[in-house]
Amino acid sequence: AQTVTQSQPEMSVQEAETVTLSCTYDTSESDYYLFWYKQPPSRQMILVIRQEAYKQQNATENRFSVNFQKAAKSFSLKISDSQLGDAAMYFCAYGETSGSRLTFGEGTQLTVNP
Amino acid sequence: GAVVSQHPSWVICKSGTSVKIECRSLDFQATTMFWYRQFPKQSLMLMATSNEGSKATYEQGVEKDKFLINHASLTLSTLTVTSAHPEDSSFYICSARTGGSWETQYFGPGTRLLVL
Repeated sequence: AQTVTQSQPEMSVQEAETVTLSCTYDTSESDYYLFWYKQPPSRQMILVIRQEAYKQQNATENRFSVNFQKAAKSFSLKISDSQLGDAAMYFCAYGETSGSRLTFGEGTQLTVNP
Repeated sequence: GAVVSQHPSWVICKSGTSVKIECRSLDFQATTMFWYRQFPKQSLMLMATSNEGSKATYEQGVEKDKFLINHASLTLSTLTVTSAHPEDSSFYICSARTGGSWETQYFGPGTRLLVL
């Protein structure tokens, strides 16, 4: 079974600074999806960024970018120019290509300090 | 973007009663819906997957008779917690997907259940 590990339960960053959240996963598959989701206090899950494993180019969405290292099974999220609204719980998730299951990491609580 | 709703957003019930939670895709047809459970400060744990018109597939350790899932139409799935007990108190989240790709998956806002 696939596992997803987020080794940083909590992170903090100063407003306007850059922060990187770590995620590693374990799989024997060669094709899959990886995601970062944001869960603010409202608890609505918000998709931040998605990466298909067959794509070598790292995904980017405005201030959010990933560093996808397939061989190392690492998928970190970089948030640039951090804003107060970025404060939330961030979950890394692995999606099977078959579409049968999403596996989530334990989450990283991000605090943005003004 | 696509919208998924859940009803109710929160519910309080007495121990021993049953509670039904609805998950609706408002502007697309959801061939697959997923039900997750999230305890405070923890991750999302997949409970079951339901495909329209067929029986739900439950994850290991999830009691099928306790958590009844019905996916009767392409826009509605329901989760019924039968004979609820305080340990069933949790945050329940559904997600809906059209087709088989993760690119078209959308989460509902969640339902907070408190069993007294």
